[in-house]
This record gives sequence, structure tokens and C-alpha cells, in this order.
Amino acid sequence: DAGITQSPRHKVTETGTPVTLRCHQTENHRYMYWYRQDPGHGLRLIHYSYGVKDTDKGEVSDGYSVSRSKTEDFLLTLESATSSQTSVYFCAISEGTNNEQFFGPGTRLTVL
Amino acid sequence: GESVGLHLPTLSVQEGDNSIINCAYSNSASDYFIWYKQESGKGPQFIIDIRSNMDKRQGQRVTVLLNKTVKHLSLQIAATQPGDSAVYFCAEEVNEKLTFGTGTRLTIIP
Repeated sequence: DAGITQSPRHKVTETGTPVTLRCHQTENHRYMYWYRQDPGHGLRLIHYSYGVKDTDKGEVSDGYSVSRSKTEDFLLTLESATSSQTSVYFCAISEGTNNEQFFGPGTRLTVL
Repeated sequence: GESVGLHLPTLSVQEGDNSIINCAYSNSASDYFIWYKQESGKGPQFIIDIRSNMDKRQGQRVTVLLNKTVKHLSLQIAATQPGDSAVYFCAEEVNEKLTFGTGTRLTIIP
């Protein structure tokens, strides 16, 4: 998985609780991304980062926030989880535009 | 926003035959395209990419064809093997972001 780890790999939580997912890379890539994958929708971009403290919204950013305080870590936070956020979340890294993105193993999140 | 689509959601191919997976895109500003393979329970795995200034690119047993006139992308897999069974996604890049299709499930028949 190109030096990308995600934690936790599985999580079950209750509606209204905060959740933070972590993505860690050892490749020193500048760009990092968070996607969610749902049946019938494919992969959809939540947020991405183009450098430390530089982030931007993706297609489905409502209800999510991110932080990147150092190159190797990109955190995704659900401030108050809802059942519609039950999904598989993937982190990806890239050296930049016109370069492939490498994906982590994913985190399966279930919100009850 | 514009999206990437696939012509067929499922494809079954006899082992040893060649496979062709198609993808249509609609954003004429897209200048970079990628094919990914995703096996059950795993993250997408990069297969091959192509830039808009090319119309063909070959890798090991895989070829990607790009037809910008009709906004069509295809992935050809030669001599398919059981390990090729997976979901295949195409993706297009516009403004530093990738947009993915919903995927085609490829099943290899022994």
C-alpha cells in the first residue's frame, strides 16, 4: 500500500459521537486525500491537502473536517457522526497533479 | 459537476481471453486518466495511467487507449488470469482532483 496506513481499520460508533480517522504516510508525498466509498457511488472526495496546514474541500465535505499539522499525517474528523456517514473511508497520497494516487487499506466505519 | 461513467457494470471473461473495459468521460478539460483495480476488502491499486497528449499506453499485459474525440477510455487486459478478477475503476483528473466512475466488476471464468 505504498507506505500508507490508516487507523483504526474498523470502528463502530453511535450517532452524535465524534470520530477521528488517521492516515499516516512514509513517502513524504505532498498531497493527501480522504475519500468515502459507498455502493453505487464509487469513490467520492471528501477533503484533500496540498501541504502542511493547506487543505481544501472535495465533493462531499459537509459534516467532515480535516487537519494536517505535519507532512506524514492527515486526520479526518466527524464532529458528530450520523448514520449517513457509515461508509468505507480511504486515504490516498500523491506527488501532485498528473501523478497517480496511491491508496491506503481503508477504514470501515459504522454509525449506529 | 461532470462525472465519469462506465458502459457495463459487470463483465465475465474466459480465463486466457482478452478483456476490454470501457469508460466514458464528459469533461473536456480532463488531462490525466488512471485505471485502478480494487479487490474485495482492499484499497484501489494503480494499474496504468495516460496523459491527454497520448492515445495509447502499454504496461505489462495491460493497454490503455484514449480517444479524446469521443471522450472514451478503455482498458485492455491480455490473457486474463484468475487474479484479474476485481472491480476496475477509471478516473479523470481536473484541477488536481480525481473523479471516479462507479466501476466494472470483472469475473474470470475458469
